[in-house]
Amino acid sequence: QVQLVQSGSELKKPGASVKVSCKASGYRFTSYAMNWVRQAPGHGLEWMGWINTNTGNPTYAQGFTGRFVFSLDTSVSTAYLQISSLKAEDTALYYCAREGTDYDVPYPDYWGQGTLVTVSS
Amino acid sequence: QSALTQPASVSGSPGQSITISCTGTSSDVGAYNYVSWCQQHPGKAPKLMIYDVTKRPSGVSNRFSGSKSGNTASLTISGLQAEDEADYYCNSYTTSSTFVFGGGTKLTVL
Repeated sequence: QVQLVQSGSELKKPGASVKVSCKASGYRFTSYAMNWVRQAPGHGLEWMGWINTNTGNPTYAQGFTGRFVFSLDTSVSTAYLQISSLKAEDTALYYCAREGTDYDVPYPDYWGQGTLVTVSS
Repeated sequence: QSALTQPASVSGSPGQSITISCTGTSSDVGAYNYVSWCQQHPGKAPKLMIYDVTKRPSGVSNRFSGSKSGNTASLTISGLQAEDEADYYCNSYTTSSTFVFGGGTKLTVL
């Protein structure tokens, strides 16, 4: 069965960087796109973008360009989200979410458990 | 891309039906029939309930249905049950080949 296991919670100081991992299993990793979604405490879902796991080509939503980078290591079926120059407002739960099967567009369908990133001095 | 507009909260009694609206623009909701809805219980990851405006993934109850008119999509839950109490988010594909979520709606089952 499809499983996405994300790395554990992170506590970082402002200005630092963080790299969140999302390890996939149960399917061919390069066959399905991976979305990234942010949820700040007490707030709604924000779509950050997605990465084509076959080509490595990322697409970023407005507001998630520059400091946010999606990457892959296909040898270990893992997607990564790196955030640099962290700010307090980056404090949030970050989800990876694989696109569903046989949909026309890459809707987030299979979700990781989320990784809490806390930015505090 | 601005978030899609949803009511902050809706409520209903067990057995009743409720509808949650999701208003966007001609660049997202109105552009294609690529609107989805997901359900999120507290402390849990979201779950896809509706895709392509009206379709249900395997395993989702037929009490959940979707529709769209112009720039507004809607989710209807019929025969409300206690376990339906959750946050609901619409999500639309856009003309920029991106997605945008709605602000979310908290459903309370009275």
